Amino acid sequence: DAKTTQPPSMDCAEGRAANLPCNHSTISGNEYVYWYRQIHSQGPQYIIHGLKNNETNEMASLIITEDRKSSTLILPHATLRDTAVYYCIVRVATGANNLFFGTGTRLTVIP
Amino acid sequence: SQTIHQWPATLVQPVGSPLSLECTVEGTSNPNLYWYRQAAGRGLQLLFYSVGIGQISSEVPQNLSASRPQDRQFILSSKKLLLSDSGFYLCAWSVHRDNEQFFGPGTRLTVL
Repeated sequence: DAKTTQPPSMDCAEGRAANLPCNHSTISGNEYVYWYRQIHSQGPQYIIHGLKNNETNEMASLIITEDRKSSTLILPHATLRDTAVYYCIVRVATGANNLFFGTGTRLTVIP
Repeated sequence: SQTIHQWPATLVQPVGSPLSLECTVEGTSNPNLYWYRQAAGRGLQLLFYSVGIGQISSEVPQNLSASRPQDRQFILSSKKLLLSDSGFYLCAWSVHRDNEQFFGPGTRLTVL
């Protein structure tokens, strides 16, 4: 079962930052937060992950609250190609193989 | 670079027929391999994962089975398909079980 909750949908204007929230209030100390996205009819694409520090890569930034009970994925300049379903996942750092995907947030980037 | 392939891309099968979906990974050795299913409007459900040749772990009781005959080949099978087996089947790989997973393009299966 998914251990995260996300809003079902969000809109964002093209060129603006998209901020996607995720609640994971039962996260354990050894669990990472992962973000994936899935464009229609394609396989999920890995975006970013983190444990407790904020992370940034070429795709996005991940902000994790100090208590680690929630996080925000930030797409700094959303484009139309960022329209997708975004999944927030928590998983144990070691000893586990699986990713529990919930229903995610459907982000629509509007021209 | 690593690539993951799945075929077929789409498949329509009658109820009671057998199934064989194939996944292969290139550019890496001894990957961890995974089969997921995504039903319409729902998240992904892990079905099987494998840490090596001949080593298969099942996450959910199904009328499906998985096999790993070669290091970079993962096969999902069924002897008799059910209507409820319809969905989008995704294969994924990771370097180690702690690492991020990379997904294939998926197979859309429709059971009629």
